[in-house]
Amino acid sequence: AQKVTQAQTEISVVEKEDVTLDCVYETRDTTYYLFWYKQPPSGELVFLIRRNSFDEQNEISGRYSWNFQKSTSSFNFTITASQVVDSAVYFCALSEPPIGGGGNKLTFGTGTQLKVEL
Amino acid sequence: DAGVTQSPTHLIKTRGQHVTLRCSPISGHKSVSWYQQVLGQGPQFIFQYYEKEERGRGNFPDRFSARQFPNYSSELNVNALLLGDSALYLCASSGDRDGPFTNYGYTFGSGTRLTVV
Repeated sequence: AQKVTQAQTEISVVEKEDVTLDCVYETRDTTYYLFWYKQPPSGELVFLIRRNSFDEQNEISGRYSWNFQKSTSSFNFTITASQVVDSAVYFCALSEPPIGGGGNKLTFGTGTQLKVEL
Repeated sequence: DAGVTQSPTHLIKTRGQHVTLRCSPISGHKSVSWYQQVLGQGPQFIFQYYEKEERGRGNFPDRFSARQFPNYSSELNVNALLLGDSALYLCASSGDRDGPFTNYGYTFGSGTRLTVV
């Protein structure tokens, strides 16, 4: 069964600090996708990144970077030089291949609340 | 282009009542999925519909049902509401049956916040 664990419930940092959000996953498949979403207080889930299981290259997008390590089943997310606007709940999620004619879903972790203070 | 739209945005219901939540997918998207997010938790998958047929169902009681219309919009119905049904209900649309497992995108709406009193 697929499972996503985000052990950090809440993290507080001071603006301009770097912060890493941890994500550990479990899956039966060798082919899968991993995601990170941001959820501000408004509630909508904002897509940040999707990474397939065959691509272990680290990715950087501005102040955001992701470290994917299959050996440890981890997909960690780092924000460099954090800003107050980064304050939100961040979710890691996993998607396994569809089965037959069935559909597909995301399995989410419990989220990490990030608070960035001045 | 409009994104995924959900209505209503907020709703208060009494225990035992019935509720209908609505979702309009992105134009051209044929797949709609529903998720329940209880406060302090991650979203949990409820249903996926593609081409008006149910393609996936999460671990929710039969009080939860859904359908998809010819224009690909969808309704989520919950009967005999319980206090524990209080949550943010999110809808996601995708251009493909395989939802998040494709390159067609998987976009969430802002959700309907349901409070059961």
